[in-house]
Amino acid sequence: ETGVTQTPRHLVMGMTNKKSLKCEQHLGHNAMYWYKQSAKKPLELMFVYSLEERVENNSVPSRFSPECPNSSHLFLHLHTLQPEDSALYLCASSQVVSGSACEQFFGPGTRLTVL
Amino acid sequence: AQSVTQPDIHITVSEGASLELRCNYSYGATPYLFWYVQSPGQGLQLLLKYFSGDTLVQGIKGFEAEFKRSQSSFNLRKPSVHWSDAAEYFCAVGSRSNDYKLSFGAGTTVTVRA
Repeated sequence: ETGVTQTPRHLVMGMTNKKSLKCEQHLGHNAMYWYKQSAKKPLELMFVYSLEERVENNSVPSRFSPECPNSSHLFLHLHTLQPEDSALYLCASSQVVSGSACEQFFGPGTRLTVL
Repeated sequence: AQSVTQPDIHITVSEGASLELRCNYSYGATPYLFWYVQSPGQGLQLLLKYFSGDTLVQGIKGFEAEFKRSQSSFNLRKPSVHWSDAAEYFCAVGSRSNDYKLSFGAGTTVTVRA
C-alpha cells in the first residue's frame, strides 16, 4: 500500500449504530487530519493530530471521537449520528515543519450515509 | 485568519480549449498556495503549489498557476483541456504562522464537452 488509505470506502449506518472509520498513511508523515466534505461546501477541518497529539478540534460534536494510536494510524469513531452527518469523510497527512505550511496528502475518503 | 474564494461554481469548456480557474485569497502576508483536483469518488490530489520565488508555477497534468500579489490571486490555467480534466478543483491557502492548517475554497466543478 502506498499513500493514504481509508477503510471502509462506503458505510451505511443507522442513527443508533456505532462504527469506526480507519485511516493509514504510508508516507512517514507526522501529522494527520480528518475532514468532512458535504456537497457544495468547503472542506471542513474536523481534527488535527500532530505527533499523535490532538492539536485542533473545530467544535465537532461529541458523537465524533478521533483516536490516533500512532503516527501512521487515525480513527474516527462514530456514535448516534444524525442524517445531516452524511458526507464524504477525508483523511489526510502531512509532514509538518515548523514555520512552513505544507501540502497535505489525501486518502480516497469514506462515503458515509446515515439513515 | 486566511480565507479563499473561488468565484466560479461551475465551468463548462470544450475539449481542446483553454481553461482558467480563479482563486482569490485573503491573508495579511505572503501565503502558501495550493491547487488540488478531485475526481468523482476520489480524494484530493495536489496539482501544484506556491511557496516563494517564481510566481508562475508548473504542476502536473499540464497545469500552471500564477501568483499575483497585487490582486491576491492564484489562478489555475491549462492551455488545452482533455476530457479527463473533468473534475472538481480546489484552491487552498496556508500560512507561515500555522504549520498545519490549510483553508480551502468551495471548489469549481469543470465539465468538458466533446
